[in-house]
Order: sequence, then structure tokens, then C-alpha cells
Amino acid sequence: AQSVTQLGSHVSVSEGALVLLRCNYSSSVPPYLFWYVQYPNQGLQLLLKYTSAATLVKGINGFEAEFKKSETSFHLTKPSAHMSDAAEYFCAVSESSGSRLTFGEGTQLTVNP
Amino acid sequence: NAGVTQTPKFRVLKTGQSMTLLCAQDMNHEYMYWYRQDPGMGLRLIHYSVGEGTTAKGEVPDGYNVSRLKKQNFLLGLESAAPSQTSVYFCASRAGRGLSNEKLFFGSGTQLSVL
Repeated sequence: AQSVTQLGSHVSVSEGALVLLRCNYSSSVPPYLFWYVQYPNQGLQLLLKYTSAATLVKGINGFEAEFKKSETSFHLTKPSAHMSDAAEYFCAVSESSGSRLTFGEGTQLTVNP
Repeated sequence: NAGVTQTPKFRVLKTGQSMTLLCAQDMNHEYMYWYRQDPGMGLRLIHYSVGEGTTAKGEVPDGYNVSRLKKQNFLLGLESAAPSQTSVYFCASRAGRGLSNEKLFFGSGTQLSVL
């Protein structure tokens, strides 16, 4: 069975500060890992994905995530937060070539001026 | 290109009423999914389909039925609505299997309230 845990349901940062959203996964086989973002009243959009190539993955809007097998983690970072980054972020896992994606509980990011 | 379209966007039902949510995609995707989103619980998979004429249960299938009679459409039915089914429902699709087909495309959601 596969699962993800997002540490912290709410994260608040100042504009220009580092963003760090935490995700740990559990999977019995090599996983595919994803970060999705949801802006208010919209569906989810893919930020980035890890599919067993490079362990450091770069996504859209300046976000990146690093796959660490020893820590079973896939944390999302951005060096400098922007007001437009305020949204809910979801980590997700699927088994390699699997048809099902399992989402974490989500982390609401607030960016303060 | 419309992508994934969900109808309706909002609905209020009384307990025991039935309804059908429609999801349509114009990207010729093989896989389609129905999720529900509840505060603090993320997205939970209700049912999914890996091709026309096929359906499978997800994490929380009870109280819902689905059909995929046409490749572009995936219907979610509630036969007898309950207050516990008050939620935001999202449909998603993806091209199919393989490394280049992992990305999910989401609709904008249906907000359902059951009184």
C-alpha cells in the first residue's frame, strides 16, 4: 500500500522568505512522487514530479523538490516566497506505472507581506 | 481546448435524493478519476476507470456508482444522498500508462451540499 504524510496543515511565511513544505511517503515499490497546487476555487495543477530520474526535480514557478530515499521524503522548496504562491499544496504518490494516485492531506501556504 | 469539464458546479440536495455528476474530457485520455475533497483529508479516490467500459473502486466507493460508456465521459452517481456526502468533487484524467502520461488534469470541481 502507498501513502503520503504532509507535516503541517498550515505554513505561514513572509514574502521573500524560504518556503519549505514537508512530505514523507510510504510505498512497497519504487514510487512516483508529485506535488500539486490548488488555488482558491480551482482544480489541482501539477507543480513537479519525480519518476526515478534525477533526485532533484525542478518545477514551475521556481519550486523544486528533492527525493531522498533514505529519509522517504520529497520536500518542496522555493528560495523566495511571492504573494502569488499562497495556495494549498498536495503531495501525492503512485506506484511506478500504477493507475492510482494517493494524495496527502494538503498544506495551506500563507504568504505575509 | 476545454480540458476537463465538470457539470454542475454547485448543487444542493435533500437527504435521499439522487443525482449524477458529469465529467467530460476532450483530450482522448484513457484514464479518468473521481475524487472528493474534504477539509483536512486531502483528496480521496472514489472510483476510477482505465478505459471505456471499465470501472474500479477507489478508497471511498460506498454510496457512489460510476459509468464510462463513452471514452470522453465519466459519470458519478449518488443513488440516495446522505449528509456525509457533502463535499467538493473533482474529476481528473490522464493520458494513460507510461512515464510521459503521469500528469493528472483536473476539472474545476462540483460543490455538493446534502441537507
